[in-house]
Amino acid sequence: GNSVTQMEGPVTLSEEAFLTINCTYTATGYPSLFWYVQYPGEGLQLLLKATKADDKGSNKGFEATYRKETTSFHLEKGSVQVSDSAVYFCALRRETSGSRLTFGEGTQLTVNP
Amino acid sequence: GAGVSQTPSNKVTEKGKYVELRCDPISGHTALYWYRQSLGQGPEFLIYFQGTGAADDSGLPNDRFFAVRPEGSVSTLKIQRTERGDSAVYLCASSLKTSGVNTGELFFGEGSRLTVL
Repeated sequence: GNSVTQMEGPVTLSEEAFLTINCTYTATGYPSLFWYVQYPGEGLQLLLKATKADDKGSNKGFEATYRKETTSFHLEKGSVQVSDSAVYFCALRRETSGSRLTFGEGTQLTVNP
Repeated sequence: GAGVSQTPSNKVTEKGKYVELRCDPISGHTALYWYRQSLGQGPEFLIYFQGTGAADDSGLPNDRFFAVRPEGSVSTLKIQRTERGDSAVYLCASSLKTSGVNTGELFFGEGSRLTVL
């Protein structure tokens, strides 16, 4: 079946540090891949997405590249801010599953000033 | 409203009781989803509506769970004979469906936190 594995958290960084949150997936075919973010007290929001191999999704300084050869979609940001503190979820959607998303367990990020 | 609205935001009930959770999606969104998020876990799919009909209910854990969307807008998730293991945050999301190809972007509400004592 489909599954998403994220690096275990929590992750604590100082402001302006480099961020990587690892995400690998298991799925047949060619799924679309997503990163969602949940800020404190808010609902999940789409951060970025990639729909085919070698695509790079980017938003708000975050990037992730769809690597089919390593079945990965790692999230990166060159310089984090305190306002990036949130829970980050990697997710996939198979082309045959409509809009059904399969999520990873989430990674809590805390950025200290 | 501008976003997905869920009520109640918090619900505490006793084991064996019946619970209803309501979701009001973004106006014009034809697709509506329910997910369940247990503590420390990612959201797990429960059910997906396209219009008034349940297009995929394969995520409902058992027959105590049921959801309706009678007019293709507001949806209600119903849980009968609640158990302590039902305690979780229940998330609702909506999306546009365009020409048979879904954009994949789901807009989530803040969730309803259910605690079964």
